[in-house]
Amino acid sequence: EAGVAQSPRYKIIEKRQSVAFWCNPISGHATLYWYQQILGQGPKLLIQFQNNGVVDDSQLPKDRFSAERLKGVDSTLKIQPAKLEDSAVYLCASSSYDRIEGGGYTFGSGTRLTVV
Amino acid sequence: RKEVEQDPGPFNVPEGATVAFNCTYSNSASQSFFWYRQDCRKEPKLLMSVYSSGNEDGRFTAQLNRASQYISLLIRDSKLSDSATYLCVVNTNYGQNFVFGPGTRLSVLP
Repeated sequence: EAGVAQSPRYKIIEKRQSVAFWCNPISGHATLYWYQQILGQGPKLLIQFQNNGVVDDSQLPKDRFSAERLKGVDSTLKIQPAKLEDSAVYLCASSSYDRIEGGGYTFGSGTRLTVV
Repeated sequence: RKEVEQDPGPFNVPEGATVAFNCTYSNSASQSFFWYRQDCRKEPKLLMSVYSSGNEDGRFTAQLNRASQYISLLIRDSKLSDSATYLCVVNTNYGQNFVFGPGTRLSVLP
């Protein structure tokens, strides 16, 4: 099966600019996640979707970050305006489980964002 | 206290060595446990699940101690290709998302 697709692969922007990332999950996966991974740290969940509804966005900085998953398939994550501390890899993952007991996450290759 | 903590690393070991990684978690209601592997500039990939009775997959052995809220990963006969960051992952919201530890970097040296 095709994996989780993300684009762009790399992005460099100036602080206070806006940026958007795109994710296409594995076909049929109902659950989609966006993670932020800062260099030297583990991934941190930003938002989780179940189909096109938000399940958990408690760690999403809502003053500058937004995400949507129209029609329960593709998703976009936006940052507006960006700050230097937003420099990180943004990972999208999808899962076919509601209960993830089998470790059934598949990650995309990520978007590496550098804010200068 | 962080939800998931790991040995700070990095671990530099010679080929053929045995190396063990430790992980502790703070939420006693945690349900599922995993080890993920992340190669440099790549996405994390599932290495193995961790079961209460302990489980083995080739050279890799995972152990779980619920009473101590402790997870371990043992790698025997290390290979150069084992060089990566090992992430301890805990499912702390039953049926929902994972919480990742900070990772422990392993370098296996020739």
